[in-house]
Amino acid sequence: AQSVTQLDSQVPVFEEAPVELRCNYSSSVSVYLFWYVQYPNQGLQLLLKYLSGSTLVKGINGFEAEFNKSQTSFHLRKPSVHISDTAEYFCAVSGRTGTASKLTFGTGTRLQVTL
Amino acid sequence: TAGITQAPTSQILAAGRSMTLRCTQDMRHNAMYWYRQDLGLGLRLIHYSNTAGTTGKGEVPDGYSVSRANTDDFPLTLASAVPSQTSVYFCASSVGTSGGYNEQFFGPGTRLTVL
Repeated sequence: AQSVTQLDSQVPVFEEAPVELRCNYSSSVSVYLFWYVQYPNQGLQLLLKYLSGSTLVKGINGFEAEFNKSQTSFHLRKPSVHISDTAEYFCAVSGRTGTASKLTFGTGTRLQVTL
Repeated sequence: TAGITQAPTSQILAAGRSMTLRCTQDMRHNAMYWYRQDLGLGLRLIHYSNTAGTTGKGEVPDGYSVSRANTDDFPLTLASAVPSQTSVYFCASSVGTSGGYNEQFFGPGTRLTVL
């Protein structure tokens, strides 16, 4: 079984400030890791994913995440946020084979960017 | 390209009534999924289909059924709705499921209220 913990349910931040959204996972098998974003009244869309290789992954809209196997973390970062980044962010994990290959989502972090 | 469409956008349903949520994709993806999103719980998988003609149970399948008669359509049926099924329902699809690394594409969601 696998699980995802998003440590912060809400993160308020001022525009142009840096932000980090935290994600920790647990799994008994090797995993793939994802961050999805959900803008108000919309479905989810992929921000970035880690499959293998370089542990620093760059995604859309200036976001990046770093896979840390020893700490079982996949924190999302952006050096300077914009008002338009206000959204719900979901970390997700999937195992590499069989029944574990379904996505398991965290409970989400609401990023609120203000002026 | 439409991607994934869901209908209806929202619905209020009396407890005990049945309802089918519709989902259609035009990307010729093999795999399709139904999730429910509840505040504080993130997204939870209800049912999935790896390919036309096959379906499987997810994390919270009770009270729901699905069918996959063709590649494009994946309807979700509530046979006898209960208030705990009040939620936002998202349909998603991916190219394949092998290995769990495929990006999932999400529809805009159906907001269902059961009274």
